[in-house]
Amino acid sequence: AQSVTQLDSHVSVSEGTPVLLRCNYSSSYSPSLFWYVQHPNKGLQLLLKYTSAATLVKGINGFEAEFKKSETSFHLTKPSAHMSDAAEYFCVVNMNNNDMRFGAGTRLTVKP
Amino acid sequence: DVKVTQSSRYLVKRTGEKVFLECVQDMDHENMFWYRQDPGLGLRLIYFSYDVKMKEKGDIPEGYSVSREKKERFSLILESASTNQTSMYLCASTLGQGNRQPQHFGDGTRLSIL
Repeated sequence: AQSVTQLDSHVSVSEGTPVLLRCNYSSSYSPSLFWYVQHPNKGLQLLLKYTSAATLVKGINGFEAEFKKSETSFHLTKPSAHMSDAAEYFCVVNMNNNDMRFGAGTRLTVKP
Repeated sequence: DVKVTQSSRYLVKRTGEKVFLECVQDMDHENMFWYRQDPGLGLRLIYFSYDVKMKEKGDIPEGYSVSREKKERFSLILESASTNQTSMYLCASTLGQGNRQPQHFGDGTRLSIL
C-alpha cells in the first residue's frame, strides 16, 4: 500500500523568510514523488518531480525538494518566500501504475 | 505545453438532473483521470481511462460514470445529481504507462447541486 501525509495543514511565513512544507510517504516500492501547487480556483500545476535520479530536485519558482529514503520524506523548501507563493501545495506519490495518491494539502500564507 | 480544457468553470444544477462534465486534452495522452476535490480531503480519484473505450473505477466511483469515445475527450457523468456531489471536479491526463510521468490538470469545474 502507499500513502502520503502532509504534516501541516497550514503554514504561515513572512515574505522573504524560508518556506518548509513537510511530506512523508509510505510505499513498498521505489516511488515517484511530485509536488503540485494550486492557486485559488485553478487546477494543479507541477512544481517538481522525483523519479529516482538525483535526490535533490529543483523545480519552478525557486522551489526544491529532497528525497530522503531513510526518513521516507520529500519536504518542499524555498529560501525566500514571495507573496505570489501563497497557495495550496500537494505532495503526491505514485508507486508503479497510474494510481496517484495525494496528500490532503498544505495551505501556505505569506505575510507582508 | 499540454493543455487540458474543462468545458465549464462553474456549473449549477438541480438534484436529480443528469450532469455532464467534459474534458479535452490536446497532447495525444493515453491516460485521463477524473478527481473530486473537497476541503481537507485532497483529491480523490473517481475514474480513469488508459485507452479509448476503456475505463477503470477509482476510489469513489459510486454515483458517477464516464465515457471515452475519442482519445482526447473524457466525460464524467452524474446520472442523478445529489447535493453530496457538490464539489470541485478536476480532470487530468498523462502520457503512457508507468509512474514516471506527471499528471497535467485542467482548471477545474466547481459544481453546485441545489
